[in-house]
Amino acid sequence: GNSVTQMEGPVTLSEEAFLTINCTYTATGYPSLFWYVQYPGEGLQLLLKATKADDKGSNKGFEATYRKETTSFHLEKGSVQVSDSAVYFCALLSNSGYALNFGKGTSLLVTP
Amino acid sequence: GAGVSQSPSNKVTEKGKDVELRCDPISGHTALYWYRQSLGQGLEFLIYFQGNSAPDKSGLPSDRFSAERTGGSVSTLTIQRTQQEDSAVYLCASSLTNEQFFGPGTRLTVL
Repeated sequence: GNSVTQMEGPVTLSEEAFLTINCTYTATGYPSLFWYVQYPGEGLQLLLKATKADDKGSNKGFEATYRKETTSFHLEKGSVQVSDSAVYFCALLSNSGYALNFGKGTSLLVTP
Repeated sequence: GAGVSQSPSNKVTEKGKDVELRCDPISGHTALYWYRQSLGQGLEFLIYFQGNSAPDKSGLPSDRFSAERTGGSVSTLTIQRTQQEDSAVYLCASSLTNEQFFGPGTRLTVL
């Protein structure tokens, strides 16, 4: 079935550093891909999404491009802030077309 | 605006007791989902509702778990005879399209 694999954390960066969190997927067809973020003590929030190949999702300075050639949806941000410290989850729609399959999450800590 | 709400936010219970977790979806959202987040298993899908019917219960881990949705709105997830391995954060989400909006979760601790 459809699944995602994302890099293990934790990732620790200094403020203003460049961020990449890798995510690769295995899927039948081209399901929608998502990045969710979970800030400390809060629920999951949708950060960005892409619904078809070559789409780029972007929000709050974060970007991810749906690349079918490399079956990837890597999350990037040019300059991270302390407030970006959170756990980031890559996800895709399962074969069912409605349930989300999540990666294990990558914890990011940004230090001043 | 009102997002997805869940209650209680925390629940501590003793092994063997039954618990009910409640989810209030975003008004007008026809689809509702339950997921479980635990340290060992990550985020797992439990059940999906379209309106009041649940076409997919495949994620429920055992027959001790059940869920219902009434009036196309509020949903309750019931766990009977709780076990320690049921300890987790139970997340509810709702959607109108394929974009799911999550509630803050209920943290369940089974002693």
